[in-house]
Amino acid sequence: DVQMTQSPSYLAASPGESVSISCKASKSISNNLAWYQEKPGKANKLLIHSGSTLQSGTPSRFSGSGSGTDFTLTIRSLESEDFAVYYCQQYNEYPWTFGGGTKLELK
Amino acid sequence: EVQLVESGGGLVQPGRSLKLSCAASGFTFSNYYMAWVRQAPKKGLEWVATISTSGSRTYYPDSVKGRFTISRDNAKSSLYLQMNSLKSEDTATYYCARHDLRGDYFDYWGQGVMVTVSS
Repeated sequence: DVQMTQSPSYLAASPGESVSISCKASKSISNNLAWYQEKPGKANKLLIHSGSTLQSGTPSRFSGSGSGTDFTLTIRSLESEDFAVYYCQQYNEYPWTFGGGTKLELK
Repeated sequence: EVQLVESGGGLVQPGRSLKLSCAASGFTFSNYYMAWVRQAPKKGLEWVATISTSGSRTYYPDSVKGRFTISRDNAKSSLYLQMNSLKSEDTATYYCARHDLRGDYFDYWGQGVMVTVSS
């Protein structure tokens, strides 16, 4: 199975700051990577697919980059609604696997 | 508006069975692959099962293969997960999710239903 390793596990930041979350695959997954946002009491939200393509409705302050084994989710100018847990997922091969998550907390 | 609403969760003893349901609305259900994804307490997400549009093809990870069965009723816009021989490690929140048409990622999720396997 492709192991997905996210770092950091926890990240504290303030509104207006920019943050980056790393996701590393144990083998090349081309650009077959998605990012999701998890918030309490809400359904998980697809933010980005194909490594860097914003899903319709995702604010432009979110961006994704990378290919192969190394990927990054960047959020510029954090807003209060961005404090959540973020997961990456590879869909290059079965079984599809997720990273362990990064909790973005308010500093 | 796309909505996915899970039901059928609860407390079940090890070795017993449970069937989850997901009611879909707001889209043409029969056009989409559908999936179940779970999250054990304080753990990450784990893909559990996927079913093709007609139901003729199903996919599972080794952790549940042979114990779980995904199915669908397109006439009722409903997705199901039959879980047999349940183990304590199956304790999790189970999410119904829709596969995006363009790839094997999930563009809509339900809010989940809790399954606890314990004696």
